[in-house]
Amino acid sequence: QSALTQPASVSGSPGQSITISCTGTSSDVGSYDLVSWYQQHPGKAPKLMIYEGSKRPSGVSNRFSGSKSGNTASLTISGLQAEDEADYYCCSYAGSSTYVFGTGTKVTVL
Amino acid sequence: QVQLVQSGAEVKEPGASVKVSCKASGYTFTSYAIHWVRQAPGQRLEWMGRINAGNGNTKYSQRFQGRVTITRDTSASTAYMELSSLRSEDTAVYYCARENVGASDIWGQGTMVTVSS
Repeated sequence: QSALTQPASVSGSPGQSITISCTGTSSDVGSYDLVSWYQQHPGKAPKLMIYEGSKRPSGVSNRFSGSKSGNTASLTISGLQAEDEADYYCCSYAGSSTYVFGTGTKVTVL
Repeated sequence: QVQLVQSGAEVKEPGASVKVSCKASGYTFTSYAIHWVRQAPGQRLEWMGRINAGNGNTKYSQRFQGRVTITRDTSASTAYMELSSLRSEDTAVYYCARENVGASDIWGQGTMVTVSS
């Protein structure tokens, strides 16, 4: 099972919007509406930001949104803030009770 | 509150095994699956496997098949991950996480495992 492909880094200025892509295959992202996104600050455990492709857990800012088209899922952060600077990972269900993570994206707030 | 608390850091020699625990509290342990995820220093998250805490069914990543064993003790609300034949490349932080609607909504604090002679 190969890792989902994400850009290594994405940057933006405060207040701007950025989008992180997550490309998989027809065996994972393309087949299931079970893509999740995680934010990870240095030295910390990951935090769930989006589940089932576009749903936000309670307490997560509505500046974070998710979508999917074909084999590619996307996470958009609008109104970028300094606290959004972190690593972001996508994860997809891949069938038969298995999951696969993305390669990770470092978000920098300029 | 809902939380997962993991066991402490471990240092192991190459070829040894390590067993990490993950104690759940604040929810019904048997109603959710537990995943194990690892992260080598400076590297990405890597899915290792999961256990259905209710019936004990397991599924492992092909990458770790044969080396990883995930178990649970329902009386102690605790899941375990054992990794054998350790090598230096297994040096990583190991996380447990609760599965909820196909995502990991609650994470343990992580357990650092160092493999060194």
